[in-house]
Parts: sequence; C-alpha cells; structure tokens
Amino acid sequence: QKEVEQNSGPLSVPEGAIASLNCTYSDRGSQSFFWYRQYSGKSPELIMFIYSNGDKEDGRFTAQLNKASQYVSLLIRDSQPSDSATYLCAVNPGGGADGLTFGKGTHLIIQP
Amino acid sequence: GAVVSQHPSWVICKSGTSVKIECRSLDFQATTMFWYRQFPKQSLMLMATSNEGSKATYEQGVEKDKFLINHASLTLSTLTVTSAHPEDSSFYICSAEGETSTDTQYFGPGTRLTVL
Repeated sequence: QKEVEQNSGPLSVPEGAIASLNCTYSDRGSQSFFWYRQYSGKSPELIMFIYSNGDKEDGRFTAQLNKASQYVSLLIRDSQPSDSATYLCAVNPGGGADGLTFGKGTHLIIQP
Repeated sequence: GAVVSQHPSWVICKSGTSVKIECRSLDFQATTMFWYRQFPKQSLMLMATSNEGSKATYEQGVEKDKFLINHASLTLSTLTVTSAHPEDSSFYICSAEGETSTDTQYFGPGTRLTVL
C-alpha cells in the first residue's frame, strides 16, 4: 500500500519565523511531489511541486526532496497569519497521468 | 490560467436520489481529470481517473455502478452519485491535468454533498 505520512500537528509557529513541514512516502519509485495548502472547507491550492533531489525555492516557500530518504519538506519563511492552514503533501507514484496519494496534512498555526 | 470549476458548490438531497456534479477546466484542455472525496478531518482519497472518451478507472473499493463518471469532452467531466445514502455525504473535489510537460493537477473548488 502506497502511503504518505505527515505529522498532523497542530504546528504552532510565531509570526515571522520559519515553519518547517515534513512528509515521508513509502513508494520508492515515486516520481513527483507536491505541496498543497487547504483552508478549512475549501479545496486544495497548489503551492509547489518538485521532481529532483535538492531544494526548489519560490518566494517565501522552499521545497526539499531527498529520494534516498523518501522525504519531502516545505519551509515557509517569514510566516504570516494568513499562512495558517492545513498543508497537504501529495505524491504521484508513477510520474504520469496518475491520481495523487495524499498525506493527512499538517495543521499549521501562525501566532501573531 | 489553469482554472477548474465545479457545479454545484453544495447540494442537499434525500436518500435514494441521484446527484450529478460537473467539473470543468475553464482555460485549458484537460486530457485527464480526477475525482477525489474528502470526509471530515480526513485527507483526500482518489476515487477515479477519467480520460476523455474512455471509461474511467476506479480505485479499489469505489463502486463504479454507484459513482458514474462521464468525460465527454476535454473540458468537462461529470460524477453522478446514484441512489445516494447518508454515508455518501462528503466533500467531492475534482482535479484536472493539462497538456503541459508537468503532471500538476489543478483542483476545483469542491462540492459538498449532504444526503438526508
């Protein structure tokens, strides 16, 4: 069974600090990895995707991928109260037109 | 770009009735669309993968005769929940994958179904 694991939280971070969100996946053959943000009662919103080992930066967000350790992370710099949401890690196991396997999400709270 | 819409945004129906949910890609052609379901406090679970002009592929445990999927065009997929029961009450979300080089999925706003 392909699994994606996340700490459910809540993870509480002071405003302006760095929030670090982690995710592990079980299928070693997974090809692409995504981070989505989901506000309560809303559908997921894509933040970033990453395919290669290493870091990928986009504004205040940095995704990190380590395929050897089967580990993906998301760093949010200069955290804002509006970043408070549930962050979902998703994995595309095949790299093609496959559905995503989602983790249960980490609830992030940015304290003003 | 990459906007996906769903209709209706919410629906309440009586047990035993059928409900149709539409998913449209507004500014791109979606070769593949996906249907997910999310119960309260749970993550999204893939129900089925829909390719234009062909039969949908259902995940294990999802009844294809209960959840009818039609993908008649490159911009429209529909999910019909037949003979709905209270346990089918959930948040149904579609996503669409475009014709770009990445396999990024863009999600619709979701449809909240409540079966009385």
